[in-house]
This record gives sequence, C-alpha cells and structure tokens, in this order.
Amino acid sequence: NAGVTQTPKFQVLKTGQSMTLQCAQDMNHEYMSWYRQDPGMGLRLIHYSVGAGITDQGEVPNGYNVSRSTTEDFPLRLLSAAPSQTSVYFCASSPGGGRSAGGGELFFGEGSRLTVL
Amino acid sequence: AQRVTQPEKLLSVFKGAPVELKCNYSYSGSPELFWYVQYSRQRLQLLLRHISRESIKGFTADLNKGETSFHLKKPFAQEEDSAMYYCALTGRGSTLGRLYFGRGTQLTVWP
Repeated sequence: NAGVTQTPKFQVLKTGQSMTLQCAQDMNHEYMSWYRQDPGMGLRLIHYSVGAGITDQGEVPNGYNVSRSTTEDFPLRLLSAAPSQTSVYFCASSPGGGRSAGGGELFFGEGSRLTVL
Repeated sequence: AQRVTQPEKLLSVFKGAPVELKCNYSYSGSPELFWYVQYSRQRLQLLLRHISRESIKGFTADLNKGETSFHLKKPFAQEEDSAMYYCALTGRGSTLGRLYFGRGTQLTVWP
C-alpha cells in the first residue's frame, strides 16, 4: 500500500522554467492538497481539491496551478519558476471529502524539494 | 482571522524530563485542533486530535477554550520523541482546506 506518492523527490530549476510536481494516492481519498514548507513559516496551503473536477485556492496560490481530473492524481504546476518558490512541497490526502468531522487526518507524501536558481 | 501560534521554535529537554510544547490559537467559531509530528526522514503524520481525547506515545493535549490553548505534554520525554511538531487548527465541520498550521517546534531530547 503506497499511500501518497510524490515525484520527483528533488528538482533544480532555473528562473522562468516550468515544471509539474506529481502526486498520486491509492487510498481513494476525495480530498487532496498541496502545501509548501519553508523554514520558520511552517506549512502553508497552496491549493486543494475536495473531489475530481473541483479545486480551490489555499493561502499561497500565486504562481501555481492545479487540476483534478481523477480521484487518484493531483499535479501541481509551476508556470514560471521564481527563486521565491524554492521550498519543500508536500502533497496530502484525506478521506471523507476532507471534512474535519471525518477525522481531519491528513496523509502526507514524502515531500519534493525544489530549488529555483 | 484564524491563527495558530507556536511560540517556541526550538525546545530542548533531557531524557526523562517533562516536556510541554505550546500552542495558542485564535478562532471565532468552534475549533478543532490537531498535533502533527515529523520525525527525521519520515513523513509528516497525525499525532493526536483534541476530539479523540486520546494519549498517543505518552503525549496528551487538552483544549483550553478559556486560554485558547492546546499544549502538547508528556511527563517523561524519550530520545525518540525528537522531531518537529506542528499544531493545526480548523473549524468544527469545516473542510481541511481551512486547516491552518503553526510554524512548528523542533523538539530535541538529549540522552
């Protein structure tokens, strides 16, 4: 049982390049989300989805796009990378449409470390 | 606006000593609070949630609505408790799209 799988684990980009961070989960969770983790800032929500075809913005959405065409996959796209997007990115999923009443437990991937030069 | 404050960025204790990781919050409705933990080279994972009133790995946390706090406590710290701890807040019945994390406290337990 793989849980939440993120690829790549490490990536170096040049300013202006675009890329996609992949996230897949095999737990049939309706809710999926992307966070970035920066030193001294904790985890900040970028985008989230409560089901296939539904996405919404989190706290820091600028510079990122998402789509949710299937329950399993939730890719995060950086359109034009900037040094400020250097961070560790975490994908997380949760059952029950992400309602806190469903337990509120997020299942995290291992993270993707992105460096933008 | 909702806010989660973890005042200690770093916390060090010796093995066997009590440990308390502080978490204060501000929220206008009924809150639901969680503690997440990230051990070295492991995934971030849920440690406990206030609605469960459970003790996990010897840790407990009580929601104090009067003081708007949800401090994490353990009477006798162990070296394996060394990790980054995050307090998180959402509204009761809300979606996790409104789950807010504190900045985290790095706990080091010395032998």
